[in-house]
Amino acid sequence: QKEVEQDPGPLSVPEGAIVSLNCTYSNSAFQYFMWYRQYSRKGPELLMYTYSSGNKEDGRFTAQVDKSSKYISLFIRDSQPSDSATYLCAMSYSNSGYALNFGKGTSLLVTP
Amino acid sequence: GAVVSQHPSRVICKSGTSVKIECRSLDFQATTMFWYRQFPKQSLMLMATSNEGSKATYEQGVEKDKFLINHASLTLSTLTVTSAHPEDSSFYICSAKIRGKETQYFGPGTRLLVL
Repeated sequence: QKEVEQDPGPLSVPEGAIVSLNCTYSNSAFQYFMWYRQYSRKGPELLMYTYSSGNKEDGRFTAQVDKSSKYISLFIRDSQPSDSATYLCAMSYSNSGYALNFGKGTSLLVTP
Repeated sequence: GAVVSQHPSRVICKSGTSVKIECRSLDFQATTMFWYRQFPKQSLMLMATSNEGSKATYEQGVEKDKFLINHASLTLSTLTVTSAHPEDSSFYICSAKIRGKETQYFGPGTRLLVL
Protein backbone atom coordinates (compact mmCIF):
# COMPACT_ATOMS: atom_id res chain seq x y z
CA GLN A 1 0.00 0.00 0.00
CA LYS A 2 1.34 3.40 -0.96
CA GLU A 3 1.78 5.78 1.93
CA VAL A 4 -0.23 8.49 0.18
CA GLU A 5 -3.29 7.75 -1.93
CA GLN A 6 -4.87 10.24 -4.28
CA ASP A 7 -7.52 9.71 -6.93
CA PRO A 8 -5.95 10.69 -10.26
CA GLY A 9 -9.26 11.79 -11.76
CA PRO A 10 -9.73 13.45 -14.16
CA LEU A 11 -12.20 15.69 -12.42
CA SER A 12 -14.27 18.00 -14.63
CA VAL A 13 -16.38 20.80 -13.16
CA PRO A 14 -18.13 23.87 -14.56
CA GLU A 15 -16.74 27.31 -13.87
CA GLY A 16 -17.86 28.65 -10.51
CA ALA A 17 -18.25 25.23 -8.89
CA ILE A 18 -16.71 24.27 -5.57
CA VAL A 19 -13.98 21.70 -6.05
CA SER A 20 -13.02 19.14 -3.42
CA LEU A 21 -9.71 17.31 -3.73
CA ASN A 22 -8.65 14.66 -1.25
CA CYS A 23 -5.81 12.44 -0.13
CA THR A 24 -5.57 9.67 2.40
CA TYR A 25 -2.43 8.43 4.03
CA SER A 26 -1.36 5.50 6.13
CA ASN A 27 1.57 6.80 8.17
CA SER A 28 0.46 8.58 11.34
CA ALA A 29 3.94 10.10 11.70
CA PHE A 30 3.23 12.66 8.97
CA GLN A 31 3.04 16.12 10.50
CA TYR A 32 3.34 18.55 7.60
CA PHE A 33 0.86 18.66 4.77
CA MET A 34 1.05 20.55 1.52
CA TRP A 35 -0.86 21.02 -1.68
CA TYR A 36 0.92 21.79 -4.91
CA ARG A 37 -0.50 22.83 -8.26
CA GLN A 38 1.25 21.69 -11.41
CA TYR A 39 0.46 22.99 -14.85
CA SER A 40 1.41 20.86 -17.83
CA ARG A 41 5.17 20.78 -18.43
CA LYS A 42 5.88 23.00 -15.42
CA GLY A 43 7.28 22.45 -11.96
CA PRO A 44 4.87 22.18 -9.00
CA GLU A 45 3.84 25.40 -7.30
CA LEU A 46 3.15 25.46 -3.56
CA LEU A 47 -0.47 26.38 -2.84
CA MET A 48 -1.10 25.55 0.80
CA TYR A 49 0.94 24.41 3.76
CA THR A 50 -0.54 23.08 7.00
CA TYR A 51 1.05 21.75 10.13
CA SER A 52 -0.83 19.04 12.04
CA SER A 53 -4.64 19.11 12.10
CA GLY A 54 -6.99 21.94 11.32
CA ASN A 55 -8.06 24.28 8.58
CA LYS A 56 -6.23 26.95 6.67
CA GLU A 57 -7.74 29.41 4.26
CA ASP A 58 -6.05 31.50 1.59
CA GLY A 59 -8.31 33.33 -0.81
CA ARG A 60 -10.40 30.81 -2.72
CA PHE A 61 -8.44 27.88 -1.30
CA THR A 62 -9.08 26.04 1.96
CA ALA A 63 -6.95 23.17 3.20
CA GLN A 64 -8.20 20.77 5.85
CA VAL A 65 -6.28 18.13 7.75
CA ASP A 66 -7.95 15.41 9.80
CA LYS A 67 -5.16 13.43 11.41
CA SER A 68 -7.56 11.12 13.23
CA SER A 69 -8.90 9.93 9.89
CA LYS A 70 -5.59 10.35 8.06
CA TYR A 71 -7.39 12.45 5.48
CA ILE A 72 -6.58 15.81 3.94
CA SER A 73 -8.62 17.98 1.61
CA LEU A 74 -8.25 21.02 -0.59
CA PHE A 75 -11.34 23.04 -1.45
CA ILE A 76 -11.40 25.54 -4.29
CA ARG A 77 -14.29 28.02 -4.27
CA ASP A 78 -15.56 29.80 -7.37
CA SER A 79 -13.37 27.66 -9.59
CA GLN A 80 -11.94 29.28 -12.71
CA PRO A 81 -10.68 27.79 -15.99
CA SER A 82 -7.21 28.92 -14.92
CA ASP A 83 -7.46 26.46 -12.01
CA SER A 84 -7.27 23.61 -14.53
CA ALA A 85 -4.12 21.74 -13.55
CA THR A 86 -2.92 18.72 -11.66
CA TYR A 87 -3.09 19.04 -7.88
CA LEU A 88 -0.60 17.09 -5.83
CA CYS A 89 -0.86 16.48 -2.12
CA ALA A 90 2.38 16.02 -0.23
CA MET A 91 3.35 15.32 3.33
CA SER A 92 6.43 14.85 5.46
CA TYR A 93 7.62 13.73 8.87
CA SER A 94 8.45 15.99 11.74
CA ASN A 95 12.20 16.08 11.31
CA SER A 96 13.80 18.43 8.82
CA GLY A 97 15.59 16.96 5.88
CA TYR A 98 13.01 14.34 5.02
CA ALA A 99 11.74 14.27 1.49
CA LEU A 100 8.10 14.84 0.68
CA ASN A 101 5.76 11.94 0.08
CA PHE A 102 3.56 12.79 -2.87
CA GLY A 103 0.20 11.57 -4.01
CA LYS A 104 -0.17 10.73 -7.69
CA GLY A 105 -1.99 13.98 -8.35
CA THR A 106 -5.56 14.75 -9.39
CA SER A 107 -6.14 16.23 -12.82
CA LEU A 108 -8.73 19.02 -12.65
CA LEU A 109 -10.51 20.59 -15.61
CA VAL A 110 -12.69 23.65 -15.07
CA THR A 111 -14.87 24.28 -18.11
CA PRO A 112 -16.15 27.76 -19.02
CA GLY B 1 10.48 35.06 -2.69
CA ALA B 2 11.59 31.40 -2.71
CA VAL B 3 12.32 31.20 -6.42
CA VAL B 4 14.11 28.19 -7.85
CA SER B 5 15.47 28.16 -11.38
CA GLN B 6 16.60 25.29 -13.56
CA HIS B 7 18.77 25.32 -16.64
CA PRO B 8 18.34 24.24 -19.33
CA SER B 9 14.55 24.06 -19.62
CA ARG B 10 14.83 21.41 -22.30
CA VAL B 11 17.63 19.47 -23.88
CA ILE B 12 17.93 16.99 -26.68
CA CYS B 13 21.01 14.83 -26.81
CA LYS B 14 22.38 11.77 -28.52
CA SER B 15 22.52 8.43 -26.77
CA GLY B 16 25.78 7.98 -24.90
CA THR B 17 26.40 11.63 -24.15
CA SER B 18 26.25 13.30 -20.74
CA VAL B 19 23.89 16.08 -19.79
CA LYS B 20 24.21 18.49 -16.87
CA ILE B 21 21.17 20.18 -15.31
CA GLU B 22 21.59 23.09 -12.91
CA CYS B 23 19.26 23.97 -10.08
CA ARG B 24 19.61 27.33 -8.34
CA SER B 25 17.81 28.93 -5.42
CA LEU B 26 17.71 32.58 -6.43
CA ASP B 27 16.69 34.41 -3.28
CA PHE B 28 17.37 32.04 -0.41
CA GLN B 29 19.92 29.57 0.83
CA ALA B 30 18.89 25.98 0.29
CA THR B 31 20.29 23.64 2.87
CA THR B 32 18.75 20.68 1.12
CA MET B 33 17.91 20.13 -2.52
CA PHE B 34 15.97 17.25 -4.00
CA TRP B 35 15.95 15.82 -7.49
CA TYR B 36 12.82 14.25 -8.91
CA ARG B 37 11.91 12.56 -12.16
CA GLN B 38 8.43 12.64 -13.59
CA PHE B 39 7.16 10.50 -16.44
CA PRO B 40 4.02 11.52 -18.38
CA LYS B 41 0.85 11.40 -16.28
CA GLN B 42 2.82 10.11 -13.28
CA SER B 43 3.65 11.70 -9.97
CA LEU B 44 7.07 12.92 -8.97
CA MET B 45 9.56 10.18 -8.14
CA LEU B 46 12.30 11.18 -5.77
CA MET B 47 15.73 10.32 -7.12
CA ALA B 48 18.08 11.74 -4.51
CA THR B 49 18.45 14.14 -1.61
CA SER B 50 21.39 16.50 -1.62
CA ASN B 51 22.74 18.45 1.35
CA GLU B 52 25.27 21.21 0.81
CA GLY B 53 28.82 20.00 1.17
CA SER B 54 28.00 16.33 1.56
CA LYS B 55 27.31 13.36 -0.67
CA ALA B 56 23.85 12.89 -2.05
CA THR B 57 21.57 10.18 -0.72
CA TYR B 58 20.02 8.17 -3.52
CA GLU B 59 16.69 6.40 -3.50
CA GLN B 60 16.57 2.67 -4.02
CA GLY B 61 16.90 1.77 -7.67
CA VAL B 62 18.60 5.03 -8.69
CA GLU B 63 22.14 4.48 -9.96
CA LYS B 64 24.45 6.96 -8.29
CA ASP B 65 27.15 6.46 -10.92
CA LYS B 66 24.69 7.31 -13.65
CA PHE B 67 23.03 10.29 -11.98
CA LEU B 68 25.82 12.39 -10.50
CA ILE B 69 24.72 15.04 -8.05
CA ASN B 70 26.86 17.89 -6.81
CA HIS B 71 25.63 20.38 -4.21
CA ALA B 72 28.63 22.65 -4.11
CA SER B 73 27.00 25.69 -2.54
CA LEU B 74 23.89 26.75 -0.68
CA THR B 75 22.35 28.02 -3.91
CA LEU B 76 23.44 25.51 -6.54
CA SER B 77 22.99 21.81 -7.14
CA THR B 78 23.72 19.99 -10.39
CA LEU B 79 22.48 16.71 -11.76
CA THR B 80 24.57 15.06 -14.48
CA VAL B 81 23.01 12.24 -16.45
CA THR B 82 26.01 10.27 -17.66
CA SER B 83 25.94 8.14 -20.81
CA ALA B 84 22.30 8.98 -21.35
CA HIS B 85 20.01 6.47 -23.03
CA PRO B 86 16.52 6.89 -24.51
CA GLU B 87 14.94 5.42 -21.37
CA ASP B 88 16.41 8.35 -19.42
CA SER B 89 14.14 10.70 -21.35
CA SER B 90 11.93 12.33 -18.75
CA PHE B 91 11.04 15.53 -16.95
CA TYR B 92 13.61 16.27 -14.24
CA ILE B 93 12.59 18.64 -11.46
CA CYS B 94 14.61 19.94 -8.56
CA SER B 95 13.33 21.42 -5.35
CA ALA B 96 14.98 23.36 -2.58
CA LYS B 97 14.29 23.52 1.10
CA ILE B 98 14.98 26.35 3.53
CA ARG B 99 16.52 25.40 6.85
CA GLY B 100 13.87 25.00 9.54
CA LYS B 101 10.94 24.92 7.12
CA GLU B 102 9.25 21.82 5.76
CA THR B 103 8.02 23.23 2.47
CA GLN B 104 9.93 22.66 -0.73
CA TYR B 105 10.07 25.09 -3.60
CA PHE B 106 10.27 23.58 -7.04
CA GLY B 107 12.11 24.59 -10.14
CA PRO B 108 10.32 24.77 -13.49
CA GLY B 109 11.76 21.43 -14.60
CA THR B 110 14.03 20.26 -17.38
CA ARG B 111 12.71 18.14 -20.19
CA LEU B 112 15.33 15.69 -21.40
CA LEU B 113 14.99 13.83 -24.67
CA VAL B 114 17.65 11.28 -25.54
CA LEU B 115 17.70 10.18 -29.15
